[in-house]
Amino acid sequence: SQTIHQWPATLVQPVGSPLSLECTVEGTSNPNLYWYRQAAGRGLQLLFYSVGIGQISSEVPQNLSASRPQDRQFILSSKKLLLSDSGFYLCAWSARNYGYTFGSGTRLTVV
Amino acid sequence: AQKITQTQPGMFVQEKEAVTLDCTYDTSDPSYGLFWYKQPSSGEMIFLIYQGSYDQQNATEGRYSLNFQKARKSANLVISASQLGDSAMYFCAMREGWSQGNLIFGKGTKLSVKP
Repeated sequence: SQTIHQWPATLVQPVGSPLSLECTVEGTSNPNLYWYRQAAGRGLQLLFYSVGIGQISSEVPQNLSASRPQDRQFILSSKKLLLSDSGFYLCAWSARNYGYTFGSGTRLTVV
Repeated sequence: AQKITQTQPGMFVQEKEAVTLDCTYDTSDPSYGLFWYKQPSSGEMIFLIYQGSYDQQNATEGRYSLNFQKARKSANLVISASQLGDSAMYFCAMREGWSQGNLIFGKGTKLSVKP
């Protein structure tokens, strides 16, 4: 069966520090991968999506970047965090004939 | 213009009663998919139900059903026999065009089930 792992679950980082959130998928190959962000009390906003290794599309220009070094690995990064980067980050995957499955999320607080 | 509109920021329902959560969508693509997700306080997004634009019948999954009115571009979620564990945020989402495209989310409805 397919599973998606996302870590860490919570993170408190100072302004200006780097960020690395990782997401891995098991049990499927060549999935589409997504990073979403959810501000407090709001819906989900797509940040990045990837249809294959090294292929990244950005939906919202901002302080973040994404990489897909392996087929089932998706990484969200920042060189210098801003206060406005605080939020709940969710990784998701989709593949043909399957719906969209989300990870358990990372709650990031930038202080 | 918003692609997905959920007009009810919050809803209350008595335990064991049915409740309808509204969702309207906007797209010019003839091929699309509509999804409902539940997000409890833990934050995880739990898939509930899916309706494809070409599906002839309304989708049902246990106590969840989707009232799909294509001409009105609405995809309301109906939860029958509400339970206390149904208290959560509910999000409507749409995928336009190709089968693995981006999901566009509404702002959500917070459902509270009263004992």
